[in-house]
Amino acid sequence: EDQVTQSPEALRLQEGESSSLNCSYTVSGLRGLFWYRQDPGKGPEFLFTLYSAGEEKEKERLKATLTKKESFLHITAPKPEDSATYLCAVQAHGSGYALNFGKGTSLLVTP
Amino acid sequence: KAGVTQTPRYLIKTRGQQVTLSCSPISGHRSVSWYQQTPGQGLQFLFEYFSETQRNKGNFPGRFSGRQFSNSRSEMNVSTLELGDSALYLCASSLASEAPNYGYTFGSGTRLTVV
Repeated sequence: EDQVTQSPEALRLQEGESSSLNCSYTVSGLRGLFWYRQDPGKGPEFLFTLYSAGEEKEKERLKATLTKKESFLHITAPKPEDSATYLCAVQAHGSGYALNFGKGTSLLVTP
Repeated sequence: KAGVTQTPRYLIKTRGQQVTLSCSPISGHRSVSWYQQTPGQGLQFLFEYFSETQRNKGNFPGRFSGRQFSNSRSEMNVSTLELGDSALYLCASSLASEAPNYGYTFGSGTRLTVV
C-alpha cells in the first residue's frame, strides 16, 4: 500500500533561518511527487511536480529534491509570509490520477 | 483567469440529510477530482472525473457519489450524512489528462458541518 509520511509535523523558524522539510514515500511505481502549500481557509496551492530521482526544482526561496525514497523541500532564508502548511503527495502508476497526500508540515516563520 | 470555483463555501446539515456540492473547474480543464480534508486523516481522495466519466474512486462508502457534466462542471453528493462527514471538501481541476505537468489547481473548498 502506498504511504506518504511528512516530518516534522510542525516547525518554527526565525526569519532567515534556513531548514528542510522531509517527505518519505513508499509507492509501487511513482508517476509523480507533488508539493503544495496550504494557507488557513484556502485550498492547496501547487508548488512543484518531481518525476524521477535526482530531479530538482526551484521557486523563489523554495527548492524541492527527489530521491527514490524521499523528497526534501528546502526553504532558504524564509520570511514570515512563507508560514503555511506544506503538503507532499504522490501519484502512482496504476492508481489512476489520485494524489495520496501526507499529513503535512505546519511551518511558522517568526520575524 | 478564473480559478476553481466551489459552492457553497459553508454548509450546515443535520445527520441523515443529504447534500450536494458544486465545482466549476478552470476553463478548458477536463479533469476534476474531489478530496475530503479532516484534521485527523488529512487529504483523502474521493473520485476523479474526465469527460463525464469516473476514472478512479477512493476508499469511501457508496454514500459518496459524484458526476461530471458536459461543460466539465462537477457535483458530489453525500447521502445519509453522518457526524464524521464533517470536513472541508476540495475540488481540483487539471489541464493535462496524462502526466499533470502543471499540477492540480484546487478550489477553496466547501466546509461541511454535520450536526
